This record gives sequence, structure tokens and C-alpha cells, in this order.
Amino acid sequence: DAGITQSPRHKVTETGTPVTLRCHQTENHRYMYWYRQDPGHGLRLIHYSYGVKDTDKGEVSDGYSVSRSKTEDFLLTLESATSSQTSVYFCAISEQGSGANVLTFGAGSRLTVL
Amino acid sequence: EDQVTQSPEALRLQEGESSSLNCSYTVSGLRGLFWYRQDPGKGPEFLFTLYSAGEEKEKERLKATLTKKESFLHITAPKPEDSATYLCAVHTNAGKSTFGDGTTLTVKP
Repeated sequence: DAGITQSPRHKVTETGTPVTLRCHQTENHRYMYWYRQDPGHGLRLIHYSYGVKDTDKGEVSDGYSVSRSKTEDFLLTLESATSSQTSVYFCAISEQGSGANVLTFGAGSRLTVL
Repeated sequence: EDQVTQSPEALRLQEGESSSLNCSYTVSGLRGLFWYRQDPGKGPEFLFTLYSAGEEKEKERLKATLTKKESFLHITAPKPEDSATYLCAVHTNAGKSTFGDGTTLTVKP
């Protein structure tokens, strides 16, 4: 997957527990994104980062936080997981700035909140 | 608010039966329209970028076209390995991408 690794790939957790998903890239791309994909909703942007310690909210950011302390790592945290956060989460990277925001995606992390 | 609508939701074709997928959009300040392919259990994979009305891009059996309000992904003589979900996305001057829900294509031998 073009130098993007997501972990864990699968996780089952209980309501109210904290969860952290990790995205690691070896492409040295400036931009990193977290999306969630749900049936009937397509891919929706949660948060994105345009540099180390520079992050911003997407359209569905409530209940999620992110951190980027190194260029290669972008963490997504659910402070207190809820059943509505059961989804497949995709990390993506891009070299935005060329005028074409082509996204390269990871393989996804499937999260089930019971 | 930017909107992207893909149709049909699902399409079943016989091998060799050509067809088209549609992506209609309402955005302010289109910077580019993207097509991605997604196989089950995997992340989307980039296919094409289109920037302006009238532009066309081709790759093997796929051809993408763009007008001011919609894009088509034409599939000529499809094969079973073309079965996948095809996603359309628009990138705007605001700097973010909005995705459609996708069209799931099944090609039967």
C-alpha cells in the first residue's frame, strides 16, 4: 500500500474505552488524513494534518482527536468509544500543493464497538 | 455545501457488456475530480484526475470524461477482474475532498 501502514487492522472494544489507531508512512508526504467509511455515507473526513503538530477538523470530527508528533506518524484517538464509531477507518496521504490532491490510502482499520 | 452523487449504486454486467457509471456534483470552485477503485477489504486506489470540462483520460478498458456538472466512467468490454467499487471524489478550492457513495460493479463471466 505505497508505504502506508495502519495498525491495528482489526479491533473489537467496548463502549467507553479509549482507542488509538495508528497510521505510519514512509513516503515523507506532508499531508495525512483520517477518513471513516460507512455504508450509505461513503468516505467522510475526520481530521487531517498539514505538518508536524498542525492539524485541523474534518466534517465528522466530534468524538475524535488526532496527533502528529513526527512526519511519518498520525494517530487517531477515540477518547471514549461509542457504538456509532463502529466503522472502517482509512488513513491517506498526499503531496498537496501540486494542484491535484491525489490521495494514497492505507488498507484500513476495522473497529467494532460493542 | 459540496455534494457528490453516484449512480447507479450497483451495476451487474456480463463480461464484454460495455456500460457507464455516473458521478454528478455540485461544488463551488472545482479544482479536480477523481476516480478511485476499491476492492473488498482494501483501501481505495487512484485511477484518474480530471480538471476541466471536456477532458478525457483512459486506462485499459476505462475512460473517464468530465462536463461542468458530471463525470462518466465508461467501461468497455469489461472483464470479471474489473469487479470493484468505483468511487468519485471532488477536490475544491477549500482544499478538501468530498466523496460519493460509490458504484459497486460486478462483472459475470
